[in-house]
Amino acid sequence: GAGVSQSPSNKVTEKGKDVELRCDPISGHTALYWYRQRLGQGLEFLIYFQGNSAPDKSGLPSDRFSAERTGESVSTLTIQRTQQEDSAVYLCASSLSANYGYTFGSGTRLTVV
Amino acid sequence: QKEVEQNSGPLSVPEGAIASLNCTYSDRGSQSFFWYRQYSGKSPELIMFIYSNGDKEDGRFTAQLNKASQYVSLLIRDSQPSDSATYLCAVYTGFQKLVFGTGTRLLVSP
Repeated sequence: GAGVSQSPSNKVTEKGKDVELRCDPISGHTALYWYRQRLGQGLEFLIYFQGNSAPDKSGLPSDRFSAERTGESVSTLTIQRTQQEDSAVYLCASSLSANYGYTFGSGTRLTVV
Repeated sequence: QKEVEQNSGPLSVPEGAIASLNCTYSDRGSQSFFWYRQYSGKSPELIMFIYSNGDKEDGRFTAQLNKASQYVSLLIRDSQPSDSATYLCAVYTGFQKLVFGTGTRLLVSP
């Protein structure tokens, strides 16, 4: 596609429920990244994919968070047993190579009530 | 730890003035440097990148890189209220991942 597509754009969920966030990167971009941005805060790195493998998962905050990527395309970030502190905007980005910079999607705003 | 430092601001400038945004980085091996603009409630947008020492100009924007001093700056000439946003500095140090600063909030008053 022309840009990085994320869905849903907004998600309200009850505490304790599981959520899945989807990212569809720019076609041909082999690198895919997930970031979290809490209100008024900077970008917090979560995970990086190169193709279908995840060489860097260092930013996942707990074992409630997991991500996968299939077919070197779509990625899904799953948060299990959501907590209120998970409320944030989750941003996906893709790149041919990080040396050329990233293109970000429009994000998913997650609110846990 | 590889760090990218920015003053959080806000940096307030009047319309028509030059806004100067600065960023320092800790890793001397850093290879490429980026400026992203993030409007409130929106995602970051890449506006400038620079790889070599010196200046790079694109319209009203100029990126400046000084590897010896480990700083990169963004100048915005003829600032407009529509330039009001948070500007994120990002550095590629290797390992296929950018390191982001926390951003400088710019306010341009009419």
